Order: sequence, then C-alpha cells, then structure tokens
Amino acid sequence: EVQLVESGGGLVQPGGSLRLSCVASGFTVSSNSMSWVRQSPGKGLEWVSVIYSDGSTYYADSVKGRFTISRDNSKNTLYLQMHSLSTEDTAVYYCARLHAGRFYFDYWGQGILVTVSS
Amino acid sequence: QSALTQPASVSGSPGQSITISCTGTSSDVGVYNYVSWYQQHPGKAPKLMIYEVSNRPSGVSNRFSGSKSGNTASLTISGLQAEDEADYYCSSYTSSITLFVLFGGGTKLTVL
Repeated sequence: EVQLVESGGGLVQPGGSLRLSCVASGFTVSSNSMSWVRQSPGKGLEWVSVIYSDGSTYYADSVKGRFTISRDNSKNTLYLQMHSLSTEDTAVYYCARLHAGRFYFDYWGQGILVTVSS
Repeated sequence: QSALTQPASVSGSPGQSITISCTGTSSDVGVYNYVSWYQQHPGKAPKLMIYEVSNRPSGVSNRFSGSKSGNTASLTISGLQAEDEADYYCSSYTSSITLFVLFGGGTKLTVL
C-alpha cells in the first residue's frame, strides 16, 4: 500500500527556517517524480516544487531561491528545506507523487501545517 | 501566472447532475490534455478523481466524468450523493517556464 507521511511542521518566526520530511512506503521515491503542494488556510492549492526521477528540480516563483527540494534514497524520504519564511508561507504542506512522471498527483500525504508568525 | 478559473460554488440536489468548469488559456488547458480533478473533504488531503481530461482512476465512481473544449475543462458529477459534497480543484500542466502545474481556485459543491 502506498503511503506518504509528512513531518517537521510547526510554528516558526518570520525569517526562520524549517525542514519538512515526507516518508514514503509502498514505492521507491527515487524512481518516481515527487512534488510539494501547499494550501494556505481557507485557500486553494498551490504547487510549490517538483523533483523528477532524474533528480532535476523546479520551483514556483514564490519560493524560488528560498526553498530546496531533495530526497534521501536510503531513507525513501522527500524533503523540503525552507528558508527566509514569511507569513505568506503559512499553509498546510502536502507531499504528493506524480503518476509515472506525468502531470497529475495520484497519492498525497495527509499534510503538515507550517505557521509563520511572531 | 494566474490560477485556472473555477466557479466559487455550485449546488445540486441528490440524484441530479452538476458540472464544474475550469477555464485556462492557450498555454495550459487549451493545448495540453493534462487536466486533472481533485476532490477534497474538509481537513483531508486531495483525492485524484479524473486525470488527463477524462480518465478515472481505479476505484473512482463512474458518476464522475471529465471533458474539455478549447480552453475550458469540465467535471460532471451525475446522480449526486451527499458524500459528493466537497471542494473540487482542477489542475493543468502549463508551458510557463516558471510553473509546473496550475491549480484552479476550487469549487465548493453543496448537496442540498
């Protein structure tokens, strides 16, 4: 059974940093393309970043230069390192798997809340 | 780049059919058959309902169907049931170099 479990969220002050983790089971992260998608409170979904199976990475303009997506193949885990956080980054962050490297998400984690506030 | 445009809300009675539209541009919905739809119940993760315009994943009811015409994609739910009440989001691949996929703003479906 495919499962994605996020962790690492919480309360952080503006300008701070946080690293999110997403542990996968039931499939191999390195053989798949994975993404982070976020949802601000009461708002819609926003794509954040993707890492393809070949290791190439892409970011939304809103996080480029501040966030880094990566994976640890030995731990079958996806990461999102976030720096220079602002209140606008407050959201539930979901990790999601892209089906066969195509452009839709077939499995999602339960989400983890990141709150940026002083 | 702006999100795809969806109506904020739609409603229908049990047993009826409803359609949710998703309007994009010639850089996304209009040129790629990479439109997908997600259902999200309150406090839950999104769930894939339709992929590549009109395909249903295994386990999704055949009451859900998708289509596309020009720059607008549509999700139709027939035989509405109370459990269909949720938020629905469309998504499309985009050729913008700064974006990977775009999401719609979401549509709240109320089953009366």
